[in-house]
Amino acid sequence: DQQVKQNSPSLSVQEGRISILNCDYTNSMFDYFLWYKKYPAEGPTFLISISSIKDKNEDGRFTVFLNKSAKHLSLHIVPSQPGDSAVYFCAASSPYSGAGSYQLTFGKGTKLSVIP
Amino acid sequence: GAGVSQSPSNKVTEKGKDVELRCDPISGHTALYWYRQSLGQGLEFLIYFQGNSAPDKSGLPSDRFSAERTGGSVSTLTIQRTQQEDSAVYLCAVRGQGAREQFFGPGTRLTVL
Repeated sequence: DQQVKQNSPSLSVQEGRISILNCDYTNSMFDYFLWYKKYPAEGPTFLISISSIKDKNEDGRFTVFLNKSAKHLSLHIVPSQPGDSAVYFCAASSPYSGAGSYQLTFGKGTKLSVIP
Repeated sequence: GAGVSQSPSNKVTEKGKDVELRCDPISGHTALYWYRQSLGQGLEFLIYFQGNSAPDKSGLPSDRFSAERTGGSVSTLTIQRTQQEDSAVYLCAVRGQGAREQFFGPGTRLTVL
């Protein structure tokens, strides 16, 4: 049972336009959400996070929106740049995971291609 | 990221052999995790270490998998009698005290022939 879902395996966007990556979750115990960016042959790089007590968090070109009632979050990248081309993973954690681990549950990722 | 190194970067082994993967974080991160990413999948939690507490092994897929963390720093993940389905990228991550963000190493790509 996939608790974090990224339903779009891929997304293509023109340089300078907005990229919107979506993520849905099913576990209502999740209270913290993160986005990671991954280039081939590298580990995931932390991008931005949001606590469930907020509905928006912004960092430069990256904004994450959280809709708790819909169990949905999205990552907006404005403006998109060719260097943003990578796989983006949505992740969630719960304070009730085993031994207080705050382990992350990941979606399968969305491959973003920004076309020059 | 965040000073986490992993070795080897690539490992090719034959089915049935044992392998040992290493994670070497910079000091100061008491929480350490192992995840794996199989082809086309998201990252899957394996095991968690926090200080001197008993590790959370709830994500280990079978008893062929084990891990230890010595001296609160270096961690090794051991896979015994490897199978082809063990082929994946194995990633180590650390988390700072009081934070929720985890920072990953570059991973070890394991291929079992």
